Amino acid sequence: AQKVTQAQTEISVVEKEDVTLDCVYETRDTTYYLFWYKQPPSGELVFLIRRNSFDEQNEISGRYSWNFQKSTSSFNFTITASQVVDSAVYFCALSEGIYNQGGKLIFGQGTELSVKP
Amino acid sequence: DAGITQSPRYKITETGRQVTLMCHQTWSHSYMFWYRQDLGHGLRLIYYSAAADITDKGEVPDGYVVSRSKTENFPLTLESATRSQTSVYFCASSRIIGTQYFGPGTRLLVL
Repeated sequence: AQKVTQAQTEISVVEKEDVTLDCVYETRDTTYYLFWYKQPPSGELVFLIRRNSFDEQNEISGRYSWNFQKSTSSFNFTITASQVVDSAVYFCALSEGIYNQGGKLIFGQGTELSVKP
Repeated sequence: DAGITQSPRYKITETGRQVTLMCHQTWSHSYMFWYRQDLGHGLRLIYYSAAADITDKGEVPDGYVVSRSKTENFPLTLESATRSQTSVYFCASSRIIGTQYFGPGTRLLVL
């Protein structure tokens, strides 16, 4: 069965610390996408990144970086030099049936990150 | 550029009443989705639609009805609201094999 596991329910760090959010997934599909979304305290869901299953290159965007490893079915997210504005719930998600089911998303439980000044 | 909007943003209703949550997108995306977000469950798919007049069930469809007569609208109806349907509801849309973009959410409280 398709599944996404974010084992860290809550993480608390002090500003400027680096933090890594873990995501492990299970899928039968050979072609799939992985996503990270951010949900700040205001409640909206903000798209951060999408990776397809054929592209294992790590990606960096400013203070954010993502490490995709198919061998371990993991798609981890690192924030470097965290800031208070990074405080949010972060969701990892896996698309299902991208060719015939619209890429329905299966979400992990979310990791609540608290960055303290 | 409105993107994707949901209305109402907040709704309080009583058990047994019918409630309709609206979702509108201006991108002409083919796919639209409804998710609910509950503590301890993350987000779960209720229904999705591949195009006008094409809808299908997600993980938790019981108690909900959807329709899609126009590409840009995807209303979700709770035919007889129950307390277990108290939740935050998110609508999303995407192109074919695209990234899903979410609306701001509707907070529903069923008393």
